[in-house]
Parts: sequence; structure tokens; C-alpha cells
Amino acid sequence: DTAVSQTPKYLVTQMGNDKSIKCEQNLGHDTMYWYKQDSKKFLKIMFSYNNKELIINETVPNRFSPKSPDKAHLNLHINSLELGDSAVYFCASSQVVGGPNEQFFGPGTRLTVL
Amino acid sequence: KQEVTQIPAALSVPEGENLVLNCSFTDSAIYNLQWFRQDPGKGLTSLLLIQSSQREQTSGRLNASLDKSSGRSTLYIAASQPGDSATYLCAVAPPGYALNFGKGTSLLVTP
Repeated sequence: DTAVSQTPKYLVTQMGNDKSIKCEQNLGHDTMYWYKQDSKKFLKIMFSYNNKELIINETVPNRFSPKSPDKAHLNLHINSLELGDSAVYFCASSQVVGGPNEQFFGPGTRLTVL
Repeated sequence: KQEVTQIPAALSVPEGENLVLNCSFTDSAIYNLQWFRQDPGKGLTSLLLIQSSQREQTSGRLNASLDKSSGRSTLYIAASQPGDSATYLCAVAPPGYALNFGKGTSLLVTP
């Protein structure tokens, strides 16, 4: 009965490959997010979707493309992976973006690009 | 642009001590402030959520306060235990946006 789940948990791949990370939440929330935690452990927002609509798109390379097939799922596809993409990617969800509602995080996906 | 600062960056205390973690933010126009715990190699666990209209929240041995006008929050941990060792993250949600995180305080509680 995990609230926010991500797959895979670990992802090791070569430079130049394309990979996807999947996220699902069973909390009935309307808003989902992708955050990136870099090697210095700093967490930054990348994208946010509200009811399948992109509402936040930070300064992220075009190689990153989020997709939300429904409000319970938010996937992240990364093209032409680079060494600098190595990080932990966290998915989160909340009831209303920026509202007084709590954000719940998934366990993270540790991406290593060789 | 919202900047969130956490002091200290690292803290080591003996078991049983009460301790305070500090968080400051530059823009007081926030909707809420959330404290998280992150264990090494793990995800984020939400500890406390304080809405902008509230002054504090309590959960067990944890108490978080919020002074929006001065841009400050504190997380008070009473009677610390070795199991409290983790990184504690403060994050604020500005209107219509996602969370802005501080860089965290790494806490070590020694037996």
C-alpha cells in the first residue's frame, strides 16, 4: 500500500542511452512532481503536473521529457544521457500545487551514467 | 527568488540532549513550510507541515515553529536518540509553486 512508488530504484546506464523512470501515486492527489537531488544532496524541482497538465517546467535540458498519462502517473524520459545526469530523482505528489497541502515523496531512483 | 538556508550544516550531540535546527527563507510569501527527514540512501519522510497561518506543529518529540514575518522556522527535537540520526530538510512552498529546499542539517546522535 505504498503511497508514492517509483521504478526502477536503481538505474545504471551508458552515456548516450535513453531511459525512463516511472512514478505512481495512490493517494488520489491531483499534482505530481519530479525533483532532482544532486551529488551534494541538494533537491531542486524539475517539473510538476496538475491533472495531466504541465504547470511547472524549470530550466531543464530538452533531453528531459515528463509525461502524465493520468493524474496518478508521472513518468520521466531522458534522452541522450550525460554524465551530469547522474543523481537521485524523486517523484512526489500533493493535493494542490503551492497550496497548504503536504507533499509525499517516493523512495527515489538513483541514476548512474557511466 | 526564494532562498532557503539551514544552520547548522552538521550537528553531533550525545543521546538525551534537546536540540534545535534552524531554517530561514528570504521570501515570506509562503503557503506552508515542511520539515523532512532523509536517511542515507533513502527517500524523504515528512515530519511536520506548518501552514502559513499557523505558528507551530507538534508530533511526539518534535516541535516545529514558524515565524513567517521574519522568515524563520525551527525544529526542536526533545530527548534525542541515536535513531534520530539523519539529515533534516526544511522546504517552503511559495504560492503556486513547488517546494524550495534548504541543503539540510546532518544530525548525528551518539549513544
